[in-house]
Amino acid sequence: EAGVVQSPRYKIIEKKQPVAFWCNPISGHNTLYWYRQNLGQGPELLIRYENEEAVDDSQLPKDRFSAERLKGVDSTLKIQPAELGDSAVYLCASRKDTAYEQYFGPGTRLTVT
Amino acid sequence: AQKVTQAQTEISVVEKEDVTLDCVYETRDTTYYLFWYKQPPSGELVFLIRRNSFDEQNEISGRYSWNFQKSTSSFNFTITASQVVDSAVYFCALSDGFNAGKSTFGDGTTLTVKP
Repeated sequence: EAGVVQSPRYKIIEKKQPVAFWCNPISGHNTLYWYRQNLGQGPELLIRYENEEAVDDSQLPKDRFSAERLKGVDSTLKIQPAELGDSAVYLCASRKDTAYEQYFGPGTRLTVT
Repeated sequence: AQKVTQAQTEISVVEKEDVTLDCVYETRDTTYYLFWYKQPPSGELVFLIRRNSFDEQNEISGRYSWNFQKSTSSFNFTITASQVVDSAVYFCALSDGFNAGKSTFGDGTTLTVKP
């Protein structure tokens, strides 16, 4: 079974530039998560999808962050414009309906200069 | 509000030593789920174990064992006879029973096993 796929793995951009991250969850996993992980900290939830519906986006900075999950499979997380404080690892995870544990992708390390 | 505290920021041991990683949690829910994840240097978090609040049985899997004590709100993780490959950041996480899809993570414990 293929794991959660994320791309790109690394991204370096200048502040005020836009950036997008892509995630393909494990087949059959209806729940998809985007997390941000700062250095030395645990993952912090940005948004959670159940199929196409964003059921928890309370921690998503909506002035500059947006996400979509068309057709309930792949998802894209966008930042526009990026700020220096957005430098972090962005993790995608998925979960199947009958379980509680999450399966994580390798993450995208974003550096904003 | 839920909270997970991993008081040990970093632990360093020599190979073959036993090591215990502490996790203390806070929740008002009577039904909840606890997890441990491992994040090796490659960066991908790997699920290790899940425990339900109504099942306090300890669990052993090879060199790994978990001690769940509701009385002290702790879910500790012990590695017996540690190996260099155990070097990683370990995260404890908590989900409530009503919204099991949402997990709160601790800040992790960095374990370094030296040869």
